[in-house]
Amino acid sequence: AQSVSQHNHHVILSEAASLELGCNYSYGGTVNLFWYVQYPGQHLQLLLKYFSGDPLVKGIKGFEAEFIKSKFSFNLRKPSVQWSDTAEYFCAVRGAGNNRKLIWGLGTSLAVNP
Amino acid sequence: EAGVAQSPRYKIIEKRQSVAFWCNPISGHATLYWYQQILGQGPKLLIQFQNNGVVDDSQLPKDRFSAERLKGVDSTLKIQPAKLEDSAVYLCASSPEALNIYEQYFGPGTRLTVT
Repeated sequence: AQSVSQHNHHVILSEAASLELGCNYSYGGTVNLFWYVQYPGQHLQLLLKYFSGDPLVKGIKGFEAEFIKSKFSFNLRKPSVQWSDTAEYFCAVRGAGNNRKLIWGLGTSLAVNP
Repeated sequence: EAGVAQSPRYKIIEKRQSVAFWCNPISGHATLYWYQQILGQGPKLLIQFQNNGVVDDSQLPKDRFSAERLKGVDSTLKIQPAKLEDSAVYLCASSPEALNIYEQYFGPGTRLTVT
């Protein structure tokens, strides 16, 4: 069965620290990969996505993620976090093609201390 | 561009009562999704519509949950009767589902508390 695993459930960082959130998936075919973010009191919104091409994807607010096919991973990174990055981060994967279900990780709660 | 609208934002009911949630997707989006998000977990897909047809309802507890999308636009999700474990945030999302456009746009959600 398809699954998504996010390794860190809770992360606490100080401002200016570097961030890396792990995401591994289980799926045999071509995939579309997503990171969504949910800021406190706000709705889920797309941070970045990978469909094909350059495996290093840049998203909004200085975030980037790297797709490593051999490791079935799509880790999220940011070189220097800010207090405003405090949020819940979700990795999601779907098989490429129409009408494929999006499989979600459990999420990682990030708290950035000022 | 207006986003996905949901109402109500909050609802508190007693177990065994019924409740309905409403969703208005982004104009022109063919695909509509209902998710259940329990605290501390990722969203769980309940049902997916393509226009007014059901694409996937494999995880919808059909003995108590029902959903419809009349005319392929607005959608309602109903729970009858509610159980304590139904306490969650119910998210609606829509997607153009056009070629190479698979991003889902989410509404603010409805937080349901069953007492």
